[in-house]
Amino acid sequence: QSVLTQPPSASGTPGQRVTISCSGSSSNIGTTYVYWYQQFPGTAPKLLIYRNYERPSGVPDRFSGSKSGTSASLAISGLRSEDEAEYYCAAWDDSLGGPVFGGGTKLTVL
Amino acid sequence: QVQLVQSGAEVKKPGDSVRLSCKASGFTFTDYAMHWVRQAPGQRLEWMGWINTGNGNTKYSQNFQGRVTITRDTSANTAYMELSSLTSEDTAVYYCAREMSFTGFDYWGQGALVTVSS
Repeated sequence: QSVLTQPPSASGTPGQRVTISCSGSSSNIGTTYVYWYQQFPGTAPKLLIYRNYERPSGVPDRFSGSKSGTSASLAISGLRSEDEAEYYCAAWDDSLGGPVFGGGTKLTVL
Repeated sequence: QVQLVQSGAEVKKPGDSVRLSCKASGFTFTDYAMHWVRQAPGQRLEWMGWINTGNGNTKYSQNFQGRVTITRDTSANTAYMELSSLTSEDTAVYYCAREMSFTGFDYWGQGALVTVSS
């Protein structure tokens, strides 16, 4: 089964810029859009980025997405304590016929 | 405002089936696809399938083929997901989420915990 690979953890201090990577394959990231979700414990995920780099209304421009080949990244600038959460990447997978998700990256704000 | 309100937690025995509901409000139900995603404890999100709420067409993940059925009742603005032949590995929080035209899952239900235990 195709899955996306993320680092299990990331950290930064307030005000810093952190990036979270997401690696896939030609059957998913390489051919389709990438999405990013933020999840706090015990709550549903929240859409942060869609179509590689677009932000839904209400998502601060501190959050940005990019994609290159079969990899993607989420960047968070001006890190704040409230950004401490789990972040998941996702992309439609041609083999699955639906979206696959990364394993999640737990972001800690030191 | 847009809301997806799911049915409550369920406790099931191995071999049972579970049927969850997801009631939509605040938008035109048939304008959006409805997906079901689950998350086992400490695990990644896992897509289960989706339904075209307009025509009822469905697509399921091969990982659940034959065990999952997604339906909808447009008169009640509600989507349903039934999972059969439950095992302990199906213990998870199950979410519904809407999606339109590659804009991502922009609204999610609150989740429903399904516990499978003998």
